[in-house]
Amino acid sequence: QKEVEQNSGPLSVPEGAIASLNCTYSDRGSQSFFWYRQYSGKSPELIMSIYSNGDKEDGRFTAQLNKASQYVSLLIRDSQPSDSATYLCAAESNTGNQFYFGTGTSLTVIP
Amino acid sequence: DVKVTQSSRYLVKRTGEKVFLECVQDMDHENMFWYRQDPGLGLRLIYFSYDVKMKEKGDIPEGYSVSREKKERFSLILESASTNQTSMYLCASSSQGAPIYGYTFGSGTRLTVV
Repeated sequence: QKEVEQNSGPLSVPEGAIASLNCTYSDRGSQSFFWYRQYSGKSPELIMSIYSNGDKEDGRFTAQLNKASQYVSLLIRDSQPSDSATYLCAAESNTGNQFYFGTGTSLTVIP
Repeated sequence: DVKVTQSSRYLVKRTGEKVFLECVQDMDHENMFWYRQDPGLGLRLIYFSYDVKMKEKGDIPEGYSVSREKKERFSLILESASTNQTSMYLCASSSQGAPIYGYTFGSGTRLTVV
């Protein structure tokens, strides 16, 4: 079993819609979770971090964490074509200092 | 603007060559990591380091070694390059302690071994 699982997609949404990206993790000791965006041929860039159960909002992005269900999600509101990328979910290892990454979900926003 | 800098964006090397990939960070981070990224396989950890002179094997260390002589620099060495090491190589760094802020990645090195 992989430490972090994501649906690889591809996920397609029309411009202006809400894109919902999901992630599950296996290490109950993980306390910190991250979403990275990666454009084709580029390196990942951090867009959201979340440490507590519930929702965390930053502009058009909302991260959701449910530690009981070991589930992390990212919602992108008013999706734009520039949001088209691969989104990587990461969970901190229970020893800290190291992260487990999912294989990423490819998102395409259709104009 | 904080940075993780990888010395080369693209590299083409021949089978059997010794290859050095350099990574330098200016954030005074304790932790540094080397990953490779391949389609469908995601990010796979090769080696990491929590301190100068210190190194730990990741999930796929075979065929690689690392060096960390200074805090800001972490080098990945391919002892004898092979075609199955053709990949995108990503260096990352992070700080220790709480809260955990996440990795900062370098721009990546796309290595082709022919």
